[in-house]
Amino acid sequence: AQSVTQPDIHITVSEGASLELRCNYSYGATPYLFWYVQSPGQGLQLLLKYFSGDTLVQGIKGFEAEFKRSQSSFNLRKPSVHWSDAAEYFCAVVSGNEKLTFGTGTRLTIIP
Amino acid sequence: EPEVTQTPSHQVTQMGQEVILRCVPISNHLYFYWYRQILGQKVEFLVSFYNNEISEKSEIFDDQFSVERPDGSNFTLKIRSTKLEDSAMYFCASRLSGPRNYTFGSGTRLTVV
Repeated sequence: AQSVTQPDIHITVSEGASLELRCNYSYGATPYLFWYVQSPGQGLQLLLKYFSGDTLVQGIKGFEAEFKRSQSSFNLRKPSVHWSDAAEYFCAVVSGNEKLTFGTGTRLTIIP
Repeated sequence: EPEVTQTPSHQVTQMGQEVILRCVPISNHLYFYWYRQILGQKVEFLVSFYNNEISEKSEIFDDQFSVERPDGSNFTLKIRSTKLEDSAMYFCASRLSGPRNYTFGSGTRLTVV
């Protein structure tokens, strides 16, 4: 069965520092991968998605993610975080019947 | 940009009551989904719907749940007799074909008291 692992439950970074959130997936075929961000009590906002082609994907708010088939990873990066980036981040993979399987999320805290 | 609209944004209901959560998917989309997120947990798939029938459902989607597309524009999730553990954020999603235009609504927060 398809699965997504986000190994970091909680990450704290200083404002202006770089960020990398890890995501590993398990899927037999070429995966379709997503990153979503969720502020407390709010909905899911799509940051970026990967389907094929260039393995480095650019998203909104200055985020990017790199698909690495050899490592079954799709890590999210940002060169310089802002206080407004504090939120919960979810990685997801499209699995059977085109449903999304989500990871457990990584909570990002930004310190001044 | 087209949106998936969910109403209400927050609903409070008493245990044992029936509740209907409403969604208006993007107008030309063909595949429809409901997901659930219990507070502090991950988003979980509930059910997918295509061509006026359920195409897949999770083990969470038991007999107290049902879905309907009554009029070609709305897509509803009914919980027949709510339990405290049904308290969660419920997200509707739709897509046309393939995952490229997968779009989520902003969710309905259901609180069962």
